[in-house]
Amino acid sequence: AQTIHQWPVAEIKAVGSPLSLGCTIKGKSSPNLYWYWQATGGTLQQLFYSITVGQVESVVQLNLSASRPKDDQFILSTEKLLLSHSGFYLCAWSPYRQGGNTEVFFGKGTRLTVV
Amino acid sequence: GDQVEQSPSALSLHEGTGSALRCNFTTTMRAVQWFQQNSRGSLINLFYLASGTKENGRLKSTFNSKESYSTLHIRDAQLEDSGTYFCAAEASSSFSKLVFGQGTSLSVVP
Repeated sequence: AQTIHQWPVAEIKAVGSPLSLGCTIKGKSSPNLYWYWQATGGTLQQLFYSITVGQVESVVQLNLSASRPKDDQFILSTEKLLLSHSGFYLCAWSPYRQGGNTEVFFGKGTRLTVV
Repeated sequence: GDQVEQSPSALSLHEGTGSALRCNFTTTMRAVQWFQQNSRGSLINLFYLASGTKENGRLKSTFNSKESYSTLHIRDAQLEDSGTYFCAAEASSSFSKLVFGQGTSLSVVP
C-alpha cells in the first residue's frame, strides 16, 4: 500500500526566515506529485506539480519554490518567509497516466504559522 | 480561468436526515473528486468519478460532464459526518491541475 509522509507536522517561523517542507511517498514508483496550500478557513490552491525527478511546474507564484530530488520526494521551500505564507500545506500524489490525471491522494499536511 | 462553484457554503443537519451538495463547473471537466476534511485537516477521499454515479454506504455522488455539475448526497447523517466537504475537478484542457470548490461546512447535530 502507498503511504505519504509529510514533515514537519507544524512549524512556527519568523518573517524573513527560510523554510523547507518535505514529503515522501512510499510504495509507488514514478508518481505525479503536488503541493497545495490552504489559508485558514479557505479552499485548497495548487502550487506546484511534478511528473518526474528534477522537473517541477509552477501553478501559482507565492514566492515559494519546489524541487523533486528523488522519485519519491518533493520539497517546498523559500529563503524568506512572508506573513502571507501562513496556512496549511498539503502534499499529494497520483499515479502517473499518460494524457490525464487519476485520483489524487493527500498527506496529512503541515500547519505553518509565520510570526 | 477554470472555476468550480460549490454550494451551499454551510449546512446544518439533524442526525438521521440528509441533503445534497452541488458543484457547478464553468468549463468541461475530465473528472471530479469529493473529499471530506476533518478537524485535523486531513483530506479523506470520498469519490473519484470520470462519469456517472457511485455509491458508498450513506454517500452517493454523480458527475454529469455534459451539463457541467456534480452532486454529493448524504443520507442518514451521523455526527461523524461533520466536517468540510470539497469537490475538486480537473479541466480537460489543464493537465495535472485540480481545481477545488470553496467547500461546504457540514455540521451534524443531535
